Amino acid sequence: AQTVTQSQPEMSVQEAETVTLSCTYDTSESDYYLFWYKQPPSRQMILVIRQEAYKQQNATENRFSVNFQKAAKSFSLKISDSQLGDAAMYFCAYIGGGSNYKLTFGKGTLLTVNP
Amino acid sequence: NAGVTQTPKFRILKIGQSMTLQCTQDMNHNYMYWYRQDPGMGLKLIYYSVGAGITDKGEVPNGYNVSRSTTEDFPLRLELAAPSQTSVYFCASRPGTGDNEKLFFGSGTQLSVL
Repeated sequence: AQTVTQSQPEMSVQEAETVTLSCTYDTSESDYYLFWYKQPPSRQMILVIRQEAYKQQNATENRFSVNFQKAAKSFSLKISDSQLGDAAMYFCAYIGGGSNYKLTFGKGTLLTVNP
Repeated sequence: NAGVTQTPKFRILKIGQSMTLQCTQDMNHNYMYWYRQDPGMGLKLIYYSVGAGITDKGEVPNGYNVSRSTTEDFPLRLELAAPSQTSVYFCASRPGTGDNEKLFFGSGTQLSVL
């Protein structure tokens, strides 16, 4: 079974600084997708960024980028120029590209942004 | 489009009561999911469906039932509520075709069983 591990229960960053959230996963599949979701206090799940395993290029969305290391099964999220609105719980998630229909989540990392 | 709509947003149940959490999506998505979120535990899959008439168990199905009579609706039934079912429940959907694996989430239901 696929597992997703986020080893940092909590992280903090100063406003305008850069922070990296860690995620590792375990799978025997070669085709899969990885995601970072943001959950602010409003409870809404917001997709931040997604990465296809077959793409070597790291995904980027404005201030958010990933470091995808397929061989190491690592998928970290970098937030540049952190803003107060980035404060939230961040979840790493995995879904197989074959017949695995289920999205598996890590336990989350609570990010605090200090002014 | 409304996306994924969950009702109710909040509910308090007494032990042993039953209720149905409603979920509907207007995006014609094939795949639908029910997750529960406990504090510090991330999201755990309860049940999922790959199309109308087809459902399957996830990680934590005990105490719940689902049905999928239409593409749009995927209700979650709690038959005998227990305190261990106090949680936030999320419904989600995705197309299931092509390479768009993005999940669309509802806004969640906060359920307390006392």
